[in-house]
Amino acid sequence: EDKVVQSPLSLVVHEGDTVTLNCSYEVTNFRSLLWYKQEKKAPTFLFMLTSSGIEKKSGRLSSILDKKELFSILNITATQTGDSAVYLCAVDPMDSSYKLIFGSGTRLLVRP
Amino acid sequence: DAGITQSPRHKVTETGTPVTLRCHQTENHRYMYWYRQDPGHGLRLIHYSYGVKDTDKGEVSDGYSVSRSKTEDFLLTLESATSSQTSVYFCATQGQEHSGANVLTFGAGSRLTVL
Repeated sequence: EDKVVQSPLSLVVHEGDTVTLNCSYEVTNFRSLLWYKQEKKAPTFLFMLTSSGIEKKSGRLSSILDKKELFSILNITATQTGDSAVYLCAVDPMDSSYKLIFGSGTRLLVRP
Repeated sequence: DAGITQSPRHKVTETGTPVTLRCHQTENHRYMYWYRQDPGHGLRLIHYSYGVKDTDKGEVSDGYSVSRSKTEDFLLTLESATSSQTSVYFCATQGQEHSGANVLTFGAGSRLTVL
């Protein structure tokens, strides 16, 4: 059974801290891994990773994929209160329906 | 996202009543999806559609049906709502392709409470 596991489930940090969120996966076929940020409403797309070792960056957020060990990490440096959200990891298992398989998410709370 | 509208956004109903949630998109995307989100479970796929009148089941389809009579509309129906169907329901479309892969774009969600 295809699955995606995220850790930790929740995390509380102070502004300025650096955090690392983890995502491991088991899928029969793999096309890509995606990270989403969910504040109060809809998840919004952050990154898509398809190749090992290539770091994706957007401001203070960065992510990297290891296809050999089947995991990805999402790093956030110099955290701000606006980073407080649930971060979702999803895997595209490369079937014809373009479905995504989601992990249960990591809830991040950044305190002032 | 301005291109995906879900309705109603909030609904409270009683056990045994039928409920229909609507997803309307203006992006002309072929693929549409219904997910539910519950604490500890993340997003789980209920049903999806790959074209008008073409639908298939996801991992948690029991108790739900869907219909897609037009490209822009994807309806999710609970024939007889149960308390276990209390959840937040998200519609998504295939938002954009990056090198042949898939990025979903989500609607704002519909919060359903079944008493």
